Amino acid sequence: GENVEQHPSTLSVQEGDSAVIKCTYSDSASNYFPWYKQELGKRPQLIIDIRSNVGEKKDQRIAVTLNKTAKHFSLHITETQPEDSAVYFCAAQSSNDYKLSFGAGTTVTVRA
Amino acid sequence: DGGITQSPKYLFRKEGQNVTLSCEQNLNHDAMYWYRQDPGQGLRLIYYSQIVNDFQKGDIAEGYSVSREKKESFPLTVTSAQKNPTAFYLCASSLGQGVYEQYFGPGTRLTVT
Repeated sequence: GENVEQHPSTLSVQEGDSAVIKCTYSDSASNYFPWYKQELGKRPQLIIDIRSNVGEKKDQRIAVTLNKTAKHFSLHITETQPEDSAVYFCAAQSSNDYKLSFGAGTTVTVRA
Repeated sequence: DGGITQSPKYLFRKEGQNVTLSCEQNLNHDAMYWYRQDPGQGLRLIYYSQIVNDFQKGDIAEGYSVSREKKESFPLTVTSAQKNPTAFYLCASSLGQGVYEQYFGPGTRLTVT
């Protein structure tokens, strides 16, 4: 089955700086890579996703890049704000069974 | 806020008791999922259902059971056979089983003592 590894597990950044979270996956059949944000005590919510036929996608301060050859994808948050503090999960979906496999999460803290 | 509800928010049970967690959606989604979340770990798939009256085991199905008698509902039963049932349980749904966004419910925190 798919194995998704996510790094770092915690990340502390100064407000205004950038944050980068990296994930790797093992199943070459994976073709969909969503990123979820989960605030304390809340449900995970999709913030951005990318499909395997695209190398990069951007939405305001958030961007995701995908390197299919190396089987890794990354989340970039620019100009971080206190409200960006949360746990972020990457995930990979296999085109074989459509199951989502999640990384272990990154706790991001933005220092004011 | 997504149209998926889970109840109750907090649930306490004694060891040896079965307990059923509720998940309802009004999004007209065909696919529904149950995940378990433990501290420091990602979400792990317990069961999923693509359509009414059909469901499949996920990666950690042992000690759990589900039913899908209605499109809107996908209850999860945590049985006494589940060795470590204390966790945060999240239900999700999507349009179908394919490249579709999964929408999550608010979760149920189950504590078994």
